[in-house]
Amino acid sequence: GDSVTQMEGPVTLSEEAFLTINCTYTATGYPSLFWYVQYPGEGLQLLLKATKADDKGSNKGFEATYRKETTSFHLEKGSVQVSDSAVYFCALNERQAGTALIFGKGTTLSVSS
Amino acid sequence: KAGVTQTPRYLIKTRGQQVTLSCSPISGHRSVSWYQQTPGQGLQFLFEYFSETQRNKGNFPGRFSGRQFSNSRSEMNVSTLELGDSALYLCASSWDGTTNEKLFFGSGTQLSVL
Repeated sequence: GDSVTQMEGPVTLSEEAFLTINCTYTATGYPSLFWYVQYPGEGLQLLLKATKADDKGSNKGFEATYRKETTSFHLEKGSVQVSDSAVYFCALNERQAGTALIFGKGTTLSVSS
Repeated sequence: KAGVTQTPRYLIKTRGQQVTLSCSPISGHRSVSWYQQTPGQGLQFLFEYFSETQRNKGNFPGRFSGRQFSNSRSEMNVSTLELGDSALYLCASSWDGTTNEKLFFGSGTQLSVL
Protein backbone atom coordinates (compact mmCIF):
# COMPACT_ATOMS: atom_id res chain seq x y z
CA GLY A 1 0.00 0.00 0.00
CA ASP A 2 0.85 3.65 -0.11
CA SER A 3 3.30 4.96 2.45
CA VAL A 4 5.37 7.98 3.42
CA THR A 5 8.84 7.87 4.96
CA GLN A 6 10.44 10.92 6.47
CA MET A 7 13.70 11.44 8.25
CA GLU A 8 13.82 10.69 11.93
CA GLY A 9 14.25 13.59 14.28
CA PRO A 10 14.78 15.52 16.28
CA VAL A 11 16.50 18.08 14.11
CA THR A 12 18.26 20.75 16.11
CA LEU A 13 19.41 23.93 14.38
CA SER A 14 20.58 27.40 15.24
CA GLU A 15 18.59 30.39 14.07
CA GLU A 16 19.28 31.33 10.43
CA ALA A 17 20.55 27.85 9.56
CA PHE A 18 19.42 25.99 6.43
CA LEU A 19 16.78 23.34 6.90
CA THR A 20 16.14 20.16 4.94
CA ILE A 21 13.69 17.48 6.02
CA ASN A 22 13.68 14.49 3.70
CA CYS A 23 10.47 12.79 2.60
CA THR A 24 9.98 9.92 0.18
CA TYR A 25 6.78 8.17 -0.75
CA THR A 26 5.39 5.01 -2.27
CA ALA A 27 2.14 5.26 -4.17
CA THR A 28 0.27 3.29 -6.78
CA GLY A 29 -1.30 6.29 -8.45
CA TYR A 30 -0.48 9.96 -8.86
CA PRO A 31 -0.97 11.43 -5.42
CA SER A 32 -0.96 14.97 -4.16
CA LEU A 33 1.78 15.67 -1.63
CA PHE A 34 1.66 17.85 1.46
CA TRP A 35 3.65 19.20 4.33
CA TYR A 36 1.75 19.86 7.55
CA VAL A 37 3.07 21.51 10.71
CA GLN A 38 1.95 20.93 14.28
CA TYR A 39 2.79 23.42 17.01
CA PRO A 40 2.65 22.27 20.64
CA GLY A 41 -0.89 21.75 21.86
CA GLU A 42 -2.42 22.48 18.49
CA GLY A 43 -3.83 20.61 15.53
CA LEU A 44 -2.16 20.34 12.17
CA GLN A 45 -1.85 23.24 9.77
CA LEU A 46 -1.25 22.91 6.07
CA LEU A 47 2.16 24.36 5.24
CA LEU A 48 2.32 23.69 1.51
CA LYS A 49 1.22 21.24 -1.15
CA ALA A 50 1.94 20.07 -4.68
CA THR A 51 -0.51 18.21 -6.85
CA LYS A 52 1.59 16.95 -9.74
CA ALA A 53 5.15 16.13 -10.74
CA ASP A 54 7.61 19.06 -10.83
CA ASP A 55 5.18 21.34 -8.96
CA LYS A 56 6.80 23.41 -6.25
CA GLY A 57 4.81 24.25 -3.15
CA SER A 58 5.92 27.24 -1.08
CA ASN A 59 4.74 29.14 1.97
CA LYS A 60 6.37 31.26 4.71
CA GLY A 61 9.84 30.68 3.24
CA PHE A 62 9.41 26.90 3.10
CA GLU A 63 9.60 25.08 -0.23
CA ALA A 64 9.19 21.53 -1.51
CA THR A 65 9.29 20.15 -5.06
CA TYR A 66 7.33 17.09 -6.19
CA ARG A 67 9.94 14.78 -7.72
CA LYS A 68 8.31 11.81 -9.38
CA GLU A 69 11.59 10.29 -10.60
CA THR A 70 12.92 10.04 -7.04
CA THR A 71 9.48 9.81 -5.36
CA SER A 72 10.50 12.58 -3.02
CA PHE A 73 9.10 15.80 -1.57
CA HIS A 74 11.85 17.25 0.61
CA LEU A 75 11.08 20.31 2.72
CA GLU A 76 13.60 23.18 2.70
CA LYS A 77 13.96 26.61 4.23
CA GLY A 78 16.89 28.89 3.74
CA SER A 79 16.94 30.52 7.16
CA VAL A 80 15.00 29.06 10.08
CA GLN A 81 13.65 31.04 13.02
CA VAL A 82 12.94 30.04 16.60
CA SER A 83 9.23 30.29 15.77
CA ASP A 84 9.65 27.44 13.24
CA SER A 85 10.15 24.97 16.09
CA ALA A 86 7.39 22.40 15.63
CA VAL A 87 6.68 18.90 14.32
CA TYR A 88 6.57 18.59 10.52
CA PHE A 89 4.61 15.89 8.74
CA CYS A 90 4.88 14.82 5.13
CA ALA A 91 1.68 13.34 3.70
CA LEU A 92 0.12 12.06 0.51
CA ASN A 93 -3.42 11.79 -0.77
CA GLU A 94 -4.58 9.62 -3.62
CA ARG A 95 -7.15 11.37 -5.79
CA GLN A 96 -9.91 8.85 -5.18
CA ALA A 97 -9.35 8.77 -1.43
CA GLY A 98 -11.32 11.86 -0.45
CA THR A 99 -9.69 13.46 2.57
CA ALA A 100 -7.79 10.32 3.65
CA LEU A 101 -4.21 11.44 4.10
CA ILE A 102 -1.32 9.05 4.66
CA PHE A 103 1.22 10.66 6.96
CA GLY A 104 4.86 10.11 7.71
CA LYS A 105 5.87 9.71 11.36
CA GLY A 106 6.78 13.36 11.75
CA THR A 107 10.06 15.20 12.30
CA THR A 108 10.57 17.41 15.33
CA LEU A 109 12.45 20.62 14.59
CA SER A 110 14.01 22.61 17.42
CA VAL A 111 15.57 25.98 16.60
CA SER A 112 17.65 27.84 19.18
CA SER A 113 18.65 31.48 19.18
CA LYS B 1 -14.89 32.55 11.20
CA ALA B 2 -14.67 29.99 13.99
CA GLY B 3 -12.28 27.11 13.47
CA VAL B 4 -12.85 23.40 13.92
CA THR B 5 -13.98 22.76 17.49
CA GLN B 6 -13.43 19.47 19.26
CA THR B 7 -14.86 18.58 22.63
CA PRO B 8 -13.88 17.60 25.18
CA ARG B 9 -10.22 18.60 25.13
CA TYR B 10 -9.17 15.88 27.57
CA LEU B 11 -10.83 12.65 28.57
CA ILE B 12 -9.89 9.88 30.98
CA LYS B 13 -11.63 6.52 30.76
CA THR B 14 -11.01 2.99 31.99
CA ARG B 15 -10.71 -0.18 29.96
CA GLY B 16 -14.01 -1.60 28.78
CA GLN B 17 -15.85 1.72 28.83
CA GLN B 18 -17.06 3.52 25.76
CA VAL B 19 -16.46 7.13 24.76
CA THR B 20 -17.97 9.68 22.39
CA LEU B 21 -15.97 12.55 20.95
CA SER B 22 -17.48 15.54 19.18
CA CYS B 23 -16.33 17.68 16.29
CA SER B 24 -17.95 20.87 14.97
CA PRO B 25 -16.57 21.78 11.55
CA ILE B 26 -16.12 25.22 10.12
CA SER B 27 -19.45 26.69 9.09
CA GLY B 28 -20.33 25.60 5.55
CA HIS B 29 -17.96 22.66 5.49
CA ARG B 30 -19.67 19.39 4.57
CA SER B 31 -16.84 16.94 5.13
CA VAL B 32 -15.44 15.78 8.45
CA SER B 33 -12.63 13.27 8.76
CA TRP B 34 -11.10 11.74 11.86
CA TYR B 35 -7.50 10.77 12.64
CA GLN B 36 -5.81 9.00 15.50
CA GLN B 37 -2.38 10.22 16.57
CA THR B 38 -0.11 8.08 18.78
CA PRO B 39 3.64 8.20 19.42
CA GLY B 40 4.09 4.70 18.02
CA GLN B 41 1.84 4.64 14.96
CA GLY B 42 1.79 8.35 14.16
CA LEU B 43 -1.24 9.80 12.41
CA GLN B 44 -3.71 7.30 11.01
CA PHE B 45 -6.92 7.95 9.12
CA LEU B 46 -10.06 6.62 10.81
CA PHE B 47 -12.98 7.64 8.57
CA GLU B 48 -14.55 10.46 6.64
CA TYR B 49 -18.12 11.66 6.49
CA PHE B 50 -19.61 13.83 3.78
CA SER B 51 -23.21 15.04 3.92
CA GLU B 52 -24.04 12.48 6.63
CA THR B 53 -22.61 9.51 4.69
CA GLN B 54 -19.43 7.64 5.46
CA ARG B 55 -17.31 7.80 2.32
CA ASN B 56 -13.98 6.37 3.39
CA LYS B 57 -12.82 4.19 6.24
CA GLY B 58 -9.35 3.40 7.48
CA ASN B 59 -8.07 0.13 8.83
CA PHE B 60 -9.52 0.21 12.33
CA PRO B 61 -11.67 -2.37 14.14
CA GLY B 62 -15.43 -2.06 14.29
CA ARG B 63 -15.17 -0.69 17.84
CA PHE B 64 -14.48 2.64 16.17
CA SER B 65 -17.55 4.19 14.63
CA GLY B 66 -18.82 7.60 13.74
CA ARG B 67 -21.69 9.58 12.41
CA GLN B 68 -22.45 12.98 10.98
CA PHE B 69 -25.53 15.07 11.60
CA SER B 70 -27.46 17.28 9.21
CA ASN B 71 -25.62 20.36 10.50
CA SER B 72 -22.31 18.62 9.60
CA ARG B 73 -21.28 18.15 13.22
CA SER B 74 -19.72 14.75 13.72
CA GLU B 75 -19.21 12.33 16.56
CA MET B 76 -16.96 9.36 16.85
CA ASN B 77 -17.51 6.55 19.28
CA VAL B 78 -15.11 3.98 20.62
CA SER B 79 -16.64 1.03 22.44
CA THR B 80 -14.94 -1.42 24.79
CA LEU B 81 -11.92 0.77 25.25
CA GLU B 82 -8.44 -0.76 25.30
CA LEU B 83 -5.23 0.68 26.66
CA GLY B 84 -3.95 1.04 23.10
CA ASP B 85 -6.77 3.44 22.27
CA SER B 86 -5.02 6.13 24.29
CA ALA B 87 -4.28 8.78 21.69
CA LEU B 88 -4.91 12.27 20.44
CA TYR B 89 -7.98 12.17 18.18
CA LEU B 90 -8.04 14.89 15.56
CA CYS B 91 -10.84 15.87 13.27
CA ALA B 92 -10.53 17.88 10.10
CA SER B 93 -13.13 19.63 7.99
CA SER B 94 -13.25 20.70 4.38
CA TRP B 95 -15.85 22.25 2.14
CA ASP B 96 -15.85 19.73 -0.66
CA GLY B 97 -14.43 16.56 0.85
CA THR B 98 -11.24 16.65 -1.17
CA THR B 99 -7.77 17.94 -0.53
CA ASN B 100 -8.12 20.35 -3.44
CA GLU B 101 -9.34 22.75 -0.83
CA LYS B 102 -7.55 23.15 2.46
CA LEU B 103 -8.22 20.74 5.31
CA PHE B 104 -8.68 22.50 8.64
CA PHE B 105 -7.77 20.53 11.75
CA GLY B 106 -9.06 20.94 15.26
CA SER B 107 -6.80 20.89 18.32
CA GLY B 108 -7.90 17.37 19.15
CA THR B 109 -9.25 15.36 22.07
CA GLN B 110 -6.59 13.70 24.21
CA LEU B 111 -8.00 10.36 25.36
CA SER B 112 -6.29 8.43 28.13
CA VAL B 113 -7.44 4.89 28.85
CA LEU B 114 -6.42 3.54 32.26
